Amino acid sequence: DIQMTQSPSTLSASVGDRVTITCRASQSISSWLAWYQQKPGKAPKVLIYKASNLESGVPSRFSGSGSGTEFTLTISSLQPDDFATYYCQQYNRYSRTFGQGTKVEI
Amino acid sequence: QVQLQESGPGLVKPSETLSLTCTVSSASISAYYWSWIRQPPGKGLEWIGYISNSGSTNYNPSLQSRATISEDTSKNQFSLKLTSVTAADTAVYYCARDNEYSSGTDYYYYGMDVWGQGTTVIVSS
Repeated sequence: DIQMTQSPSTLSASVGDRVTITCRASQSISSWLAWYQQKPGKAPKVLIYKASNLESGVPSRFSGSGSGTEFTLTISSLQPDDFATYYCQQYNRYSRTFGQGTKVEI
Repeated sequence: QVQLQESGPGLVKPSETLSLTCTVSSASISAYYWSWIRQPPGKGLEWIGYISNSGSTNYNPSLQSRATISEDTSKNQFSLKLTSVTAADTAVYYCARDNEYSSGTDYYYYGMDVWGQGTTVIVSS
């Protein structure tokens, strides 16, 4: 199984801050990584796919990078609507695995 | 736009079988991959498994012995059965479009781009 490890688990930040979340895979996954945002009581929403591709309608302050085993999600200027939990998720043709999540709080 | 709606009992007794259905609108289930994901209270997301556009399935190894995903193309629905449930299976269960394109050795993945609202299942006697 491919394991995904996110850091940090919790991140305290202020509006306007630049925020970076890291996700590491237990083995190489090329660029097959997605990022999701989840707010309390809601389903997750995809932000980024294939490591760096922005989903349609997602604000450009979100960006993703990385390949192999190390990936990052960056929010360039944190907005009030961005306080949420973020998950990375690996893809291979026969399985998917989520990271444990990073909660971004005020 | 594509919409997904989970349905099924909200309460299941220990040792029994959890059964959920996801009804898909505005997209054919034969055209995409579809996954089930769950989230225990206060915890993270766990992928349960998928059914492909050809009807093949793959599961999380930790749940493989208990989970079965099937489809009913006539109703444009896919379903999850999880046997021998315990309190540890209490969670919000989501269905999602698992947007993989594959043709032979070529493939591309766009992520889980459409989700149902989720349904809470409690395992308790």
